[in-house]
Amino acid sequence: GAVVSQHPSWVICKSGTSVKIECRSLDFQATTMFWYRQFPKQSLMLMATSNEGSKATYEQGVEKDKFLINHASLTLSTLTVTSAHPEDSSFYICSAPSLQSTDTQYFGPGTRLTVL
Amino acid sequence: QKEVEQNSGPLSVPEGAIASLNCTYSDRGSQSFFWYRQYSGKSPELIMFIYSNGDKEDGRFTAQLNKASQYVSLLIRDSQPSDSATYLCAVLKGGGADKLIFGTGTRLQVFP
Repeated sequence: GAVVSQHPSWVICKSGTSVKIECRSLDFQATTMFWYRQFPKQSLMLMATSNEGSKATYEQGVEKDKFLINHASLTLSTLTVTSAHPEDSSFYICSAPSLQSTDTQYFGPGTRLTVL
Repeated sequence: QKEVEQNSGPLSVPEGAIASLNCTYSDRGSQSFFWYRQYSGKSPELIMFIYSNGDKEDGRFTAQLNKASQYVSLLIRDSQPSDSATYLCAVLKGGGADKLIFGTGTRLQVFP
């Protein structure tokens, strides 16, 4: 199956700093990638859809100025959490649709963000 | 009403038994349904997808879909301790939205 990587796998930062998370499709091109957030013992919540070469589409309630998404190439999307606060601590996961079936998404390994 | 509902569990079954995981969804326009397995601290991995009413089998896993009842299930035969994980039901939202909506997951525990 398709391989999606994320970097870093975990990050700890101080409140007020910004953190960038990278999502890469390793063996295929992805014009669309998805960013999810998962709080402990809760399900994945879609934050935004990242579109190569155009603006991301954010879900209702997600602040686009706080969660900056850049999809500058067909294999890389980045999520920057700006001015992070402890309530932003979560598991951030990206995904990309399969080439064989765009209905099917393959997930990256996730990035655990802890904001002190 | 949540868009995708699952019993949070835990569902405990003995090794070798059949584990039955259930999921209901609210959007009648949904056409694609997925089961993901998520181990603690890891991201979800796709187990199966199903598009048509009826059963779909893949090894020890069988997905069942009933669109009239808006119900999808996953059966795991010959359950193993390594199957212990949280199983997430996901539905591709209808109307061309292309969004996966996840249930909260059912935690499965398979004991030796």
